[in-house]
Order: sequence, then structure tokens, then C-alpha cells
Amino acid sequence: KQEVTQIPAALSVPEGENLVLNCSFTDSAIYNLQWFRQDPGKGLTSLLLIQSSQREQTSGRLNASLDKSSGRSTLYIAASQPGDSATYLCAAVSGSEKLVFGKGMKLTVNP
Amino acid sequence: KAGVTQTPRYLIKTRGQQVTLSCSPISGHRSVSWYQQTPGQGLQFLFEYFSETQRNKGNFPGRFSGRQFSNSRSEMNVSTLELGDSALYLCASQGQGSTGELFFGEGSRLTVL
Repeated sequence: KQEVTQIPAALSVPEGENLVLNCSFTDSAIYNLQWFRQDPGKGLTSLLLIQSSQREQTSGRLNASLDKSSGRSTLYIAASQPGDSATYLCAAVSGSEKLVFGKGMKLTVNP
Repeated sequence: KAGVTQTPRYLIKTRGQQVTLSCSPISGHRSVSWYQQTPGQGLQFLFEYFSETQRNKGNFPGRFSGRQFSNSRSEMNVSTLELGDSALYLCASQGQGSTGELFFGEGSRLTVL
């Protein structure tokens, strides 16, 4: 059974810092891993999708990497801004083709 | 291109009642999946529909059911509501087979009193 973990559960940083958000999963036989952002009371916004054959994906200030052998993915946010404050979730699709989510990491970027 | 649309956005019900939530996926997407989000359990998979057939089902009681229509719109129903069913119900639309990117709606916030 796939389990996805995100540690820490919350992070508060000053504006301008480069950040690394961690995501670990127990079943390395994943099809893909997706990072989302959720603002309070809102739905999820897709940030990056990494297929199992890929090592990383980039979009603007965001870069996500995938290491299946170690069961880890990281989301790198460059030059953080107050507008980046949100909850970030990672989710893995594996053998059962169900999307399994981590509990999320609440990020606060202080001006 | 319109995104995923969920209705209603907010609703309040009492214990024992039933509720039906609706989801219209992105045009051309044939896969719709449903998730329940609560503060304690996080996001949990309910079920997935593809071309009107349920393709996957999560570990929820039979009170939770769904269906998909020929135009890919989907509905989920919860019968005999319990207080613990209070949650944000999210619908996701997927276009590219089972490994494509998921796009979520804004969700339906259900409160059971």
C-alpha cells in the first residue's frame, strides 16, 4: 500500500529564501508524481507533474525532482515571495492507479 | 478553455439526509475522480470514472456512490449523512489516460449538522 509523507507539516520563512519541500513515498513503482498548491478554502492547483521515466520538471521558479530508488521527490522554490504562501501537496500514482496524497506542508513566506 | 466546475460550492445538511454533488470536467476529458478532504485525514480517494464506468474505488462505505454520464459529467451521492461526512469534496479531471495531469475543481464544502 502506497504511503506518502511530507515533512515538516509547516514552514515559515522570510521572503527571498530558496526553499526545498520534501515528499517521500513507500512504493517506488509509481507511474508519476504530481505537486499541487492549495490556497485556503480552495481547490488544488497543479504545479508540476513528473512521469516515472523523468528525473525533473521545471516551471518558472519551481523545479521538482524525482528519485524513485530512494522514494523521494523534492520541490524547489527559488526566491520565495509572500504570494507563494499556501499548502503544498504531493501525490503519487502507483500500481492501483489511485492518487495517494501526502498531508501537505503549509508554507508561510513573510515579507 | 473552461476548468473543472463543481456545484454547489457550499451546502448544509442534517444527519440522515442525502446529498448529490456535481462535477463537470474539462472539455474532452473522460476521466473524473472524487476526493474527500478533511483536516484529520487529509485528501482521500473516493472513486474514479472513465467513460461512464467506475474504474477505481477507495475505502469508503457504500453510502458513498457516484456515476458518470455520457457527456463525462459526474455526480457523487452520499446517503444517510453522518457528522463525519462534513468535508471538502473535490473533483478532478484527467485527459491523458491514467498517467496524465489532474486538474481539480474548487470543491463542494459540505457541512452536516
